[in-house]
Formats: sequence, C-alpha cells, structure tokens
Amino acid sequence: KNQVEQSPQSLIILEGKNCTLQCNYTVSPFSNLRWYKQDTGRGPVSLTIMTFSENTKSNGRYTATLDADTKQSSLHITASQLSDSASYICVVSSYNQGGKLIFGQGTELSVKP
Amino acid sequence: DVKVTQSSRYLVKRTGEKVFLECVQDMDHENMFWYRQDPGLGLRLIYFSYDVKMKEKGDIPEGYSVSREKKERFSLILESASTNQTSMYLCASSSAGATHYEQYFGPGTRLTVT
Repeated sequence: KNQVEQSPQSLIILEGKNCTLQCNYTVSPFSNLRWYKQDTGRGPVSLTIMTFSENTKSNGRYTATLDADTKQSSLHITASQLSDSASYICVVSSYNQGGKLIFGQGTELSVKP
Repeated sequence: DVKVTQSSRYLVKRTGEKVFLECVQDMDHENMFWYRQDPGLGLRLIYFSYDVKMKEKGDIPEGYSVSREKKERFSLILESASTNQTSMYLCASSSAGATHYEQYFGPGTRLTVT
C-alpha cells in the first residue's frame, strides 16, 4: 500500500534554532517527493520538489534531502523564524497514479520567541 | 503566478442543506482536484477531473458529487450536508503536461455543518 509517514507529529522550537522533520514513504514506483508548507487557515504551498536522482534541494533556509534507497526524506530548517510556524507536509507522487498525490499527515511546527 | 480561488473562506450550513463549493483556476490547467483536510488524517482526495465534463472518484467520494462544465471551474456539491462533513475543503489544479505533477492549491473553505 502506498503510504507516507511523517515524524514528529508536532514540534516546538525556539526562534533562531534549527530543526529537522522526517518523512518515510512506501510509494512505488516513485516519481518525485515534495515538501509543502501550510500556514494555518491557508492552502499548502510547495517548498521543494525532488526526483529520484536528486539528493538535496534548497529553498532559502529550507533544505530537503532524499535517500531513494531507504525511501526517506528530511526537511531541515535553519535559523528558524516565527513565520516558520506552520504545518509541513511531505507529498509523494507515483508514475502509475496519474498525477494523484500521496500525502503525509504533516508535522505541526511551532516557533516560539 | 498560478491562482486558484475558492468561493468562500468560511461557510456555515445546516444539516440537510445542499452545499456548493466553487473553485476557479486561471492557468488553463487540465486537472483539478477536491480534497478535505481533517486533523490527524491529512489531505484526502474526494474527486478529481482530467477534463471538462469528466470526473473520477477519489478515496472518499461518498456524500459528494462534482461538476466541471468549464475548464477553469470545478464545483464540489454536498447533496445533503451532514455534521461529519464539517471540514476544511481544498481545491487544487495541475497541468497535464507538467512532468512533476505540481499541484497548486486554493486557500481553502472551512465548512461547518450544524
């Protein structure tokens, strides 16, 4: 069964600190993996996207890594800001799903001053 | 910029009412999707459409129907709203030609059924 699991479920950190969010997937055949950021009451917005051949992708203070062998991805946030408080969702697509996405349940990040 | 808009940010309806949620995208995308999002369950696909007048059931279609009469507009219909349909509803669109199936989301509609 195609699944995406994220950890931790929630996380609280102090402003300025770094953090890493984890994503494990069992989707096959794998097409690509995205990390979305969803602010409270808003729709998700794409942060990064990685295909099978990509190991790392950065977007400002966000760096995503992908290990296609172990089917794991991480999202590292550097020097966190209050505006980073959001839900971060790992999303995987498969070649045989016709454009449908498989969503993780998200990690709720709270950055405190 | 891709823009996906949804007709209402917040909606309150009574049990048994017929509810229409509208979604419009301005990027000439072929694919459109309706999801619901609930705490602890993530996003779940209700229906999707690959073309005008075409629809496919997603993972949780029961209690919902959809309409796509024009390429830019995809409507979600709750024939008889129930309290268990209280949720956040998100619309998304993507291009059929996109190599990475990038989906662009609207801002969401928070529906409360009382």
